[in-house]
Amino acid sequence: KAGVTQTPRYLIKTRGQQVTLSCSPISGHRSVSWYQQTPGQGLQFLFEYFSETQRNKGNFPGRFSGRQFSNSRSEMNVSTLELGDSALYLCASSLIGTEETQYFGPGTRLLVL
Amino acid sequence: GENVEQHPSTLSVQEGDSAVIKCTYSDSASNYFPWYKQELGKRPQLIIDIRSNVGEKKDQRIAVTLNKTAKHFSLHITETQPEDSAVYFCAASPWDTGNQFYFGTGTSLTVIP
Repeated sequence: KAGVTQTPRYLIKTRGQQVTLSCSPISGHRSVSWYQQTPGQGLQFLFEYFSETQRNKGNFPGRFSGRQFSNSRSEMNVSTLELGDSALYLCASSLIGTEETQYFGPGTRLLVL
Repeated sequence: GENVEQHPSTLSVQEGDSAVIKCTYSDSASNYFPWYKQELGKRPQLIIDIRSNVGEKKDQRIAVTLNKTAKHFSLHITETQPEDSAVYFCAASPWDTGNQFYFGTGTSLTVIP
């Protein structure tokens, strides 16, 4: 079974721009979670989608948003980028998303200049 | 919300020795505790997990213990090898937050040959 994939793998943007990241979960998985990983803050939960609905949301500003499609693929969008948004963005998928193992993608490394 | 603390932040051991990483959590609703290993430039990968109805789980050289009363859980790696060098993250998932994981800040383990 193919693993979780994320595109693009690397991205360079400038302040004020917006960015869209994509995540394709493992086939059959319906829950997709997004995390921001930075050296200082570790892995922080952004949001989780299940069956095209946002089920949970972390403590991030409204500039961070996401969606999930009927095939469970998910996108996250960051608008009005700030320098502090530079990070590795990881998505993780699980079957139904309750007390389950999450399988991580390789991440998208975003650099904001 | 849940708060997970992880210690130590760095750990160096001689090859063949044991390594122990400890985590505490605050939310008594947490009942799923995975551990992830992240090698440099790679995605986090699950190495072992434990549920709140179990006190200990072992998989070859890796074991995890859980003390629900004290709200702490630990990762034990025996007979360490150089390939065990990585950053290890613990996480806790409360049953009432879907599949939201709260991660510790990570332990950088170095196994010295």
